[in-house]
Parts: sequence; C-alpha cells; structure tokens
Amino acid sequence: DADVTQTPRNRITKTGKRIMLECSQTKGHDRMYWYRQDPGLGLRLIYYSFDVKDINKGEISDGYSVSRQAQAKFSLSLESAIPNQTALYFCATSDTAGGSQGDYNEQFFGPGTRLTVL
Amino acid sequence: QKEVEQNSGPLSVPEGAIASLNCTYSDRGSQSFFWYRQYSGKSPELIMSIYSNGDKEDGRFTAQLNKASQYVSLLIRDSQPSDSATYLCAVRGSARQLTFGSGTQLTVLP
Repeated sequence: DADVTQTPRNRITKTGKRIMLECSQTKGHDRMYWYRQDPGLGLRLIYYSFDVKDINKGEISDGYSVSRQAQAKFSLSLESAIPNQTALYFCATSDTAGGSQGDYNEQFFGPGTRLTVL
Repeated sequence: QKEVEQNSGPLSVPEGAIASLNCTYSDRGSQSFFWYRQYSGKSPELIMSIYSNGDKEDGRFTAQLNKASQYVSLLIRDSQPSDSATYLCAVRGSARQLTFGSGTQLTVLP
C-alpha cells in the first residue's frame, strides 16, 4: 500500500543535541510537509516543500531546518534541541491533482514521531 | 483572533445521537475545507472535504459549508463509541496552506 512512514517513532534526547526526523512516502506525491502538534494547539506547520527544489518556511520554522533529498524523502532537523520542542511531529504529503476545483490540498499523514527533549 | 476556531469541548453525546461539530475561519479567501479525525496517539485521518456552499453527505457524516458566514460544520449521525476522537477542522486559505483548528474532543457514551 502507498504509505507515509516516519522514523524514529519515539525519541528522547537532551538539550543541545542535534536531532533528525525522517519521512518517506510511496504515494508519489510532490508535496511534503512537517507539522508539530502540542496539546490544545492543534497542528502547526513548520516547513513545506512543493518539490525537491522548492522549500518554504511555515508558521513556526525557527529552530528547525529541512532537507528534501528526493521526491519521496523529507527530513526535519533540530540543530540544537530545546525542551519546548518537545512535541508530536507529523509528516504529511499531498498531490497536486487539480480538476475543476484546482488544488485540493488533501493531506495524508504519517504515524508521527514523539520527541522529548530533556 | 485565531484563523480557524473550534470549540475545544469535550463534547459528549449518547450512542445513536447526532454529534454536531463547528468551525469558523477568518480568511474570506478560503477555498477548501476539511475534517480530520484523530484518535489518541494516532495521526489525523481525512474523513470529509467540502469546497462549495451547502451540504455534502458521506455515510453517517455530513459536512456543511457557509462561506458568507465563514462557517463549516460536521454532523455525525447515529454516533457510535468508535467515533470518540478529536476532530480537526482544516482550512486552505488564500496563502494556499492548510491551517488547522485546535480540535474538538468528542466522546460517544454507550
């Protein structure tokens, strides 16, 4: 089945460490996204990429960086982790399929990575 | 003002009842509207999308959109305990990105 996978699923690290979260997809979608979810705050967009050469900051990009290594891979890095980056991180993908409604932007989510920064 | 607002709940309904979830948004240029269901500890799952004013039905789910009032809702008929989850409203605005509400937690009581 076409899918979105994330590694690791859980990670505990210490303040100041560099962390990389990885996302892979077999859906053949062009667009990929990184979100974080905190209790009571919903999902907030960190970075998004419409193709390998197109990477854009989202609502809360400070303290994060990304790399789009291939159409199917999109990695999120925390260069120097801090405790308030403790959250649930989701990768998502979407197609650019149009039709009469244009870009639907329906997104499909990976299983999430639970990150704890001590 | 938040761009996408939902009542956080929790909302409790008895089994078999209609659950009504509401969402308002601030960007008048918004074009696409989505409802995601998220079980505790799991990823969001798309259950409904709506693009035009009016109602859209899919099984026990009905999405309603009123662009003039900047309001979108989700009705769940014949609610089941398995519908207990957090429901996220998402709106694609003029910036062409999805903005999510903070979610409404629904509990269906057996």
